[in-house]
Amino acid sequence: DIVMTQSPDSLAVSLGERATINCKSSQSVLYSSTNKNYLAWYQQKPGQPPKLLIYWASTRESGVPDRFSGSGSGTDFTLTINSLQAEDVAVYYCQQYYSTPLTFGGGTKVEIK
Amino acid sequence: QVQLVESGGGVVQPGRSLRLSCAASGFTFSTYAMHWVRQAPGKGLEWVAVMWYDGSNQYYADSVKGRFTISRDNSKNTLYLQMNRLRAEDTAVYYCARDCMRFGYSSSWFDYWGQGTLVTVSS
Repeated sequence: DIVMTQSPDSLAVSLGERATINCKSSQSVLYSSTNKNYLAWYQQKPGQPPKLLIYWASTRESGVPDRFSGSGSGTDFTLTINSLQAEDVAVYYCQQYYSTPLTFGGGTKVEIK
Repeated sequence: QVQLVESGGGVVQPGRSLRLSCAASGFTFSTYAMHWVRQAPGKGLEWVAVMWYDGSNQYYADSVKGRFTISRDNSKNTLYLQMNRLRAEDTAVYYCARDCMRFGYSSSWFDYWGQGTLVTVSS
């Protein structure tokens, strides 16, 4: 199984500042034949189901604000929230879909400082 | 618009069974793989199972293999999860989620999620 490790567990960022969340996979999720990274990011607010933000490691889902961006390749990935807004307070998860079982990172809680 | 509505959760004793349902609408259900994902109280997300769009195959997390069975009725636009020999550690909110790919024969990311149904396993 591919183990996904997120860091930090939580972070507090001032409004308008940048939040950076890291996700590391125990093996590469870059599929050589497609040259794509099989990694997605989700946002989960309290009492709500997760919401898709990013897939293929860096492709923003339709309707997601452009302050959210994904980067990285192979085993190391980053979700960046530029100019943090109050509505971005949530837990963020990475997920690999390179192989079954699909696995998630442990989550990163983003709060306002 | 795409809607996924789970039902069937509740309180059940250890060792007993429960069947969850997920009613889908707003899209052609029979063309998408569908998943179950769960979240224990205050914990992270755990993928549980997937069934291909045509019901030809299914895969499970090791934690539920042999106890849970995923199925679907494409004529009723409904996904199911039969949960047998339930354990305390199965206590969670269970979400059904749509795979992003149409006619896919591999799992991808989840583009739509239901609101979830809570299963509590307790004596």
